[in-house]
Amino acid sequence: SQTIHQWPATLVQPVGSPLSLECTVEGTSNPNLYWYRQAAGRGLQLLFYSIGIDQISSEVPQNLSASRPQDRQFILSSKKLLLSDSGFYLCAWSVGGNGELFFGSGTQLSVL
Amino acid sequence: DAKTTQPNSMESNEEEPVHLPCNHSTISGTDYIHWYRQLPSQGPEYVIHGLTSNVNNRMASLAIAEDRKSSTLILHRATLRDAAVYYCILRDLNAGGTSYGKLTFGQGTILTVHP
Repeated sequence: SQTIHQWPATLVQPVGSPLSLECTVEGTSNPNLYWYRQAAGRGLQLLFYSIGIDQISSEVPQNLSASRPQDRQFILSSKKLLLSDSGFYLCAWSVGGNGELFFGSGTQLSVL
Repeated sequence: DAKTTQPNSMESNEEEPVHLPCNHSTISGTDYIHWYRQLPSQGPEYVIHGLTSNVNNRMASLAIAEDRKSSTLILHRATLRDAAVYYCILRDLNAGGTSYGKLTFGQGTILTVHP
């Protein structure tokens, strides 16, 4: 069966520090991968999506970047965090032709 | 993507049915209606989806209006574990495989279940 792993579960970082959140998927090949962010009390905002290795599309301009060095690995990064980067970050995957999105457990990021 | 409108919040009692409405008056012929729910501090999970006909699965039922401009997610017997934010989302299958996963989440309906 397919599983998605996302870590860490919580993270507290000072403003200006770097960020690296990792997501891996098991049990499937060539998934579409997504990073979403959810600010407190708000809906989910799509940040990045990827249809293959090194193929990344950004949905909104921001202080973050994403990379996909392996088929089932998706990394969200920042060189210098801003206060506005605080939020609940969710990784998700889907298989082309099937609309169901499978989400990870999320990372609660607090930038202080 | 076409827009959906949901009530901000709803309340129910445990073991009673819950009907969560969603309006999507600008729905196109190729839009599927998807429902996801998000439990506190967790990622969203898929609930159900449909195109024209009513759909049933182990989690819920989806009733789609004949003109497809509205739909209702039905939880037949609410439990405390059903307390969550429920999102109604439209997805156009003709948008292609890569964009098919780009679900656009609105604010959803916060469902509170009372014991």
